[in-house]
Parts: sequence; C-alpha cells; structure tokens
Amino acid sequence: AQKVTQAQTEISVVEKEDVTLDCVYETRDTTYYLFWYKQPPSGELVFLIRRNSFDEQNEISGRYSWNFQKSTSSFNFTITASQVVDSAVYFCALSEADYGQNFVFGPGTRLSVLP
Amino acid sequence: SQTIHQWPATLVQPVGSPLSLECTVEGTSNPNLYWYRQAAGRGLQLLFYSVGIGQISSEVPQNLSASRPQDRQFILSSKKLLLSDSGFYLCAWSEGTQNQPQHFGDGTRLSIL
Repeated sequence: AQKVTQAQTEISVVEKEDVTLDCVYETRDTTYYLFWYKQPPSGELVFLIRRNSFDEQNEISGRYSWNFQKSTSSFNFTITASQVVDSAVYFCALSEADYGQNFVFGPGTRLSVLP
Repeated sequence: SQTIHQWPATLVQPVGSPLSLECTVEGTSNPNLYWYRQAAGRGLQLLFYSVGIGQISSEVPQNLSASRPQDRQFILSSKKLLLSDSGFYLCAWSEGTQNQPQHFGDGTRLSIL
C-alpha cells in the first residue's frame, strides 16, 4: 500500500534562513509520481512540482529546490532564503502509475517564517 | 487557461440537513474530477473521483455521495449531514491521463451545528 510521511508537523524559521521539508514515501510500484503542494492561509492548494520515479535529477526553481533519492524513498523540499510569504502548509503526495487518479497526501508540514 | 470554481466558500448547516456543493471547471475537456475533505489541521482525504460523466469512484464509504451530470461539473451531496461531516472540502481537476498534477478550487468550509 502507498503511504506518505511528513514527520515535521510544524517548523518555524526566521526570514532569510534556509529550511528543508522532509517527505518519505512507501510504494511497491516501480513507476510512480511524487508531488509537492503549498496551502497558504487562504486555503487553496497550489501545485509546485511533479517528479516521476525514473527521474532522480534534482530540480531548482528560483528559491525552491527538490532532492529526490530513491535509495531512501525521500523527496525533500528546500526553500532557500525563506520569506514571510512562504508561510503555509506544505503537502507531499504520491500517485502510482496504475492508480493514477488516487493521490495519497502526507499529513503536511506547517511552515512559519517569522520576520 | 483552465479555471476551477467551487461554491459556496463557507456553509453552516444543522445536523440532519441535506448538502449540495458544486464544482465546475472551465477551459478543458474530459477532465478527471476529485472531491477531498480536510479535517482541521489534518491532511487531505480523497472522497470521490470521476474519470467521465456518470462515472464515480468512492474511496471512503460514508454519508456522502457524488455525481457528475456534465463533463465539467462535479457535485458533492448528502441527504442527512452528521457532525463528523464538518471540514474543509476541496474540489480538484486534472488532465484526463493518469498521474497528472491536480489543480484545486478555493474550497468550502462546512460547519455542522
């Protein structure tokens, strides 16, 4: 069965600090997809990234970067030089190739960036 | 571009009353559609998804039902609400192929009194 764990329930950092949000997943499929979403206080979920299981190349988008390591079943998300606007709940999610409509979300990590 | 509309934004209902939440998508055809519930401070729980008109898959047996009367319309219903139905309900869509990113509406905050 598929499962996503985000062990960090809440993280607080001071503006300009770097912060890494952890995501560990479980799946029996060899083909699967990993996602990160941001949920700001307004409530809507914003899609950030999708990564498939055959692409272990790390990705950088501005201040955001993602580290995918199949050996440890992790897909961690780092925000560099955090800003107050980064304050949100961040969700990691997994979908298996054969059950592509069924996303399993982690419990989320609440990030507070203090000025 | 594609947009998703979900309403109402907030709803307060008494126990035992019916429920109808509506979601529509614009700018795409034959999307996959989803209903999620998020309890306070918790993650997302997939309730229903649909790959086409009249096709509904239920992930969690419960007091709720879903319908898709039109290609880009997805409705969440209940005949009799329970206190435990309180939560934040999110509608989402994705392209019709599998494993595509889901894009979410603004959500409906439902309080049951």
